[in-house]
Amino acid sequence: AQTVTQSQPEMSVQEAETVTLSCTYDTSESNYYLFWYKQPPSRQMILVIRQEAYKQQNATENRFSVNFQKAAKSFSLKISDSQLGDTAMYFCAFMKPFRSGNTPLVFGKGTRLSVIA
Amino acid sequence: NAGVTQTPKFRILKIGQSMTLQCTQDMNHNYMYWYRQDPGMGLKLIYYSVGAGITDKGEVPNGYNVSRSTTEDFPLRLELAAPSQTSVYFCASSADLEQFFGPGTRLTVL
Repeated sequence: AQTVTQSQPEMSVQEAETVTLSCTYDTSESNYYLFWYKQPPSRQMILVIRQEAYKQQNATENRFSVNFQKAAKSFSLKISDSQLGDTAMYFCAFMKPFRSGNTPLVFGKGTRLSVIA
Repeated sequence: NAGVTQTPKFRILKIGQSMTLQCTQDMNHNYMYWYRQDPGMGLKLIYYSVGAGITDKGEVPNGYNVSRSTTEDFPLRLELAAPSQTSVYFCASSADLEQFFGPGTRLTVL
């Protein structure tokens, strides 16, 4: 079974600074997908960024980027120019290959990020 | 598109009562999921469905039942509610990689 570990329960960052959230995972699959989801106080789950394991290039979405290290099974999220609206719980999640027939996400426990003015 | 809608938003149940959490999506997605989120934890899969008439258990199915008679609807039934079922429940749907989540239902069992 796949497991996802987020070792930082809470983090804080000054507005406009950069912060990195860590995630490691365990799997025997060679192809899979990794995600970062954001959950603000509104409770809504919002997809931040996605990485396909077969791609060597790290995914980037505006101020959000990942550092994907497949051999180390590491998938960290970097948030640049942090904004107050980035304050939220961030969840790392794993998905097996879509056509394998089992597509639910496996989530880590989350990291609570506070952006301080 | 309304996306994924869930009702109710909040509910308090007494031990032993039963209820159904409703989930509807208007995106014609084949895949639908039910997760629960306990305080300070990530989401755990309760049940999922790959299409109308097909459901399967997730990581924490005990105490719950589901049905999928249409593509749009995926209700979650709690029988004999217990305090351990106090949680926030999320429904999600997908056509491929990206899962779209509903706003959640906060359930308290006293």
